[in-house]
Amino acid sequence: RKEVEQDPGPFNVPEGATVAFNCTYSNSASQSFFWYRQDCRKEPKLLMSVYSSGNEDGRFTAQLNRASQYISLLIRDSKLSDSATYLCVVNGAQAGTALIFGKGTTLSVSS
Amino acid sequence: DGGITQSPKYLFRKEGQNVTLSCEQNLNHDAMYWYRQDPGQGLRLIYYSQIVNDFQKGDIAEGYSVSREKKESFPLTVTSAQKNPTAFYLCASSWGTGTLTGELFFGEGSRLTVL
Repeated sequence: RKEVEQDPGPFNVPEGATVAFNCTYSNSASQSFFWYRQDCRKEPKLLMSVYSSGNEDGRFTAQLNRASQYISLLIRDSKLSDSATYLCVVNGAQAGTALIFGKGTTLSVSS
Repeated sequence: DGGITQSPKYLFRKEGQNVTLSCEQNLNHDAMYWYRQDPGQGLRLIYYSQIVNDFQKGDIAEGYSVSREKKESFPLTVTSAQKNPTAFYLCASSWGTGTLTGELFFGEGSRLTVL
């Protein structure tokens, strides 16, 4: 099983739609979880951290399910500007190791 | 303004040549990283460094070398031993690694093309 797995998509949705992405991780000892956003041919940027209690930032909601080892990202009221690739990121298996990135899920929002 | 600067942004290399990609940060971060990204692929870790004069291999270190002589700088050399070096290279920094890792700050990347 790969360390971090995501459905690559693409997810094609109209403006105003609600869309959700899931990501599974293999290491049950992982402690830190993040969603990054990457625009085409640009560097990734942190979208939000994912906390055990779940967290919300405007139209974006992140959830963590430790029992099933997955995290999710929900985007409500999609905007054209949300079109990007969303990367699921988990900290490494051992202390002192770097973050592990999923391959990303591509979202395309159309008018 | 604080941030990470990578140079050059675009680089063309002939086969058999070594090239060095620069990465400088003024965020006072201890940890620095090099990732490689190929089209349609996620980021793969090449090398990372938690402290000056120390670095560890990532998942795809073969054909690459790094140094960390200063806290601010973490250059990556792509050697001729790297079989398929054409890729998008991203440098990042953070306050810590592993369970301490918080946000990664990325540079704008360097696109290397081998002719």
